Amino acid sequence: KAGVTQTPRYLIKTRGQQVTLSCSPISGHRSVSWYQQTPGQGLQFLFEYFSETQRNKGNFPGRFSGRQFSNSRSEMNVSTLELGDSALYLCASSLSSAQKKLFFGSGTQLSVL
Amino acid sequence: QQQVKQSPQSLIVQKGGISIINCAYENTAFDYFPWYQQFPGKGPALLIAIRPDVSEKKEGRFTISFNKSAKQFSLHIMDSQPGDSATYFCAANTNAGKSTFGDGTTLTVKP
Repeated sequence: KAGVTQTPRYLIKTRGQQVTLSCSPISGHRSVSWYQQTPGQGLQFLFEYFSETQRNKGNFPGRFSGRQFSNSRSEMNVSTLELGDSALYLCASSLSSAQKKLFFGSGTQLSVL
Repeated sequence: QQQVKQSPQSLIVQKGGISIINCAYENTAFDYFPWYQQFPGKGPALLIAIRPDVSEKKEGRFTISFNKSAKQFSLHIMDSQPGDSATYFCAANTNAGKSTFGDGTTLTVKP
């Protein structure tokens, strides 16, 4: 069974640009969560989607948004990039929103110059 | 507000020794406490988890100890091996499913 797939693996952007990250969950998993990982802040929850609906949202500005498609694949968008957005963005899937076992992808390393 | 506090930030242990990582939480609504292991260049992987109705859970060399009254839980790695060198995260979940993570502990096991 394929794991969680995140693309691209690396991204370099400049301030003010926008970026879209993609996540394909494990087959059969319907919940997708996004996390931001930085050396100083650890893993910070961004949002969770289940059945194309946002179920939970973390404390991030509106520049961070996401969506989920009918096949459970998810995308995360960050607009008007700032230097502080440089981080590893991790996607995790689970069977359902109530299922607490998370399966993480390898992440997208975003560098904002 | 930091809801899950993890310590130490880094830990160096000799091969064969015991590694102990501690976490404390504040929210009594948390009802699921997993530990994740992360190697460089990879995402975190679920290692072991416990629910608050038990005080200890063991899987191989990994044991979670849970103290509900103190709102603390810890990961013990027995007979630590160089291959265990990684970053470990504790987490806590509410019934709504949202995971709150500790800041991580970088474990180095010296041969």
